Amino acid sequence: QVQLQESGPGLVKPSQTLSLTCTVSGGSISSGDYYWSWIRQPPGKGLEWIGYIYYSGSTYYNPSLKSRVTISVDTSKNQFSLKLSSVTAADTAVYYCARVPRAYVGFDYWGQGTLVTVSS
Amino acid sequence: QSALTQPRSVSGSPGQSVTISCTGTSSDVGGYNYVSWYQQHPGKAPKLMIYDVSKRPSGVPDRFSGSKSGNTASLTISGLQAEDEADYYCCSYAGSYTFVFGGGTKLTVL
Repeated sequence: QVQLQESGPGLVKPSQTLSLTCTVSGGSISSGDYYWSWIRQPPGKGLEWIGYIYYSGSTYYNPSLKSRVTISVDTSKNQFSLKLSSVTAADTAVYYCARVPRAYVGFDYWGQGTLVTVSS
Repeated sequence: QSALTQPRSVSGSPGQSVTISCTGTSSDVGGYNYVSWYQQHPGKAPKLMIYDVSKRPSGVPDRFSGSKSGNTASLTISGLQAEDEADYYCCSYAGSYTFVFGGGTKLTVL
């Protein structure tokens, strides 16, 4: 059974860079059968897709966040990461990592989520 | 890329059926058969309930069904149960390897 676990600072100052890592267990990121994604949810609000990466390093981003987002993968550690630059209070959210099978279109496994607060 | 439109809330009594709509455009919902639905209980991660418009992952009860007509997708839950009370989100492929979510619908089981 695949499991995803987010990790990283829970508090980031405005204008700084938010950095999170998702560790995948129970399956290999390098299998090539999946894309690996980041999704966020501001408190009390809906879900927003941030972007995803393939094990080869190909990345795809939400156009509204593209200028500030970088997603990378470390196949040796079975991890993928998110960096979001120039954060503001509007970036305060629960950040989820999730898996997308290549066989169909849906986020089939999710991490538990991690709350990141942007505040000085 | 605008969020898909969902009703803020729907309700139904145990045993009844409810339908949640998800309206987009020809650039997302109407353009592809790639709509998925997620159930989210408070404080929990979303759970995939429907993918590719109408397919159910293993383990999801057949009380949950999905469909699409034009730019509007729908999730129908039949035989409502207390544990179905949750927030539901639709999501559509929007071309160029991007996705867009709906604003979410709160389902109340009366």
